[in-house]
Amino acid sequence: GENVEQHPSTLSVQEGDSAVIKCTYSDSASNYFPWYKQELGKGPQLIIDIRSNVGEKKDQRIAVTLNKTAKHFSLHITETQPEDSAVYFCAASDQGAQKLVFGQGTRLTINP
Amino acid sequence: NAGVTQTPKFQVLKTGQSMTLQCAQDMNHEYMSWYRQDPGMGLRLIHYSVGAGITDQGEVPNGYNVSRSTTEDFPLRLLSAAPSQTSVYFCASSYSITQETQYFGPGTRLLVL
Repeated sequence: GENVEQHPSTLSVQEGDSAVIKCTYSDSASNYFPWYKQELGKGPQLIIDIRSNVGEKKDQRIAVTLNKTAKHFSLHITETQPEDSAVYFCAASDQGAQKLVFGQGTRLTINP
Repeated sequence: NAGVTQTPKFQVLKTGQSMTLQCAQDMNHEYMSWYRQDPGMGLRLIHYSVGAGITDQGEVPNGYNVSRSTTEDFPLRLLSAAPSQTSVYFCASSYSITQETQYFGPGTRLLVL
C-alpha cells in the first residue's frame, strides 16, 4: 500500500520568510495530493491540492509542486505570518478522497 | 450549515467498555469517513462510507464498527475499548467520491484506561 513520509517534523521560521515542507510517496498510482492545515484543537482543513497531471499550483502565498518521477511533492509558504503557525499534513491517494494516506505532520512555528 | 459535528468532545473509558462516537453532517454529502490521529503518525483511515447503506474498511479497522443508515449520520462504535484506542478521532465528509475536498469535524479525544 501507499506510504507517505513528511519532513521536517518541526519547522521554525522568522515572520516574512518562506517555509518549505516536503513529502515523498511510494505508490506510483497515486494521483491526488492534498495539503491540510490543523490549528490547535481543531480538525484539519484543506488548504491546497494538486493532481498528478499538474506540476505546480499556486494560491496567493501558498504553492505546491509535484515531481512524479521522484515521487515527491512540496508545500511552499511565502511571506509567512503568525497565523500560519499550525500543524501541516500532506496526503496521497489513488482514489481521490476515498483513501487518503497522510504524512506524519509538520509543526510550523512563525516567530515574530 | 453546522458542517460536520462530532460528539462527545472528550471521553474517558475503562478497558472493555463500549461506546459510540457520533458524527453528523448537514451538507448532504455522500462520502463520510473516520480517522484516528496519534502523535507522530498523522491521520489513519478507520472506516469510510460512499453512501447510505454502504461502508468499507480503511487502514486500521480492527476494534471498530460503523453503519450508515442515513446520509447525515455515520457513528463509530468501539466494541470493547483497549488502551491502544486512546487517540483523537476525526470524522470527515465530502460531497462525493470524486469531489475531493473533505471537511473535518472538530474531533473527539478518547482516553482508555
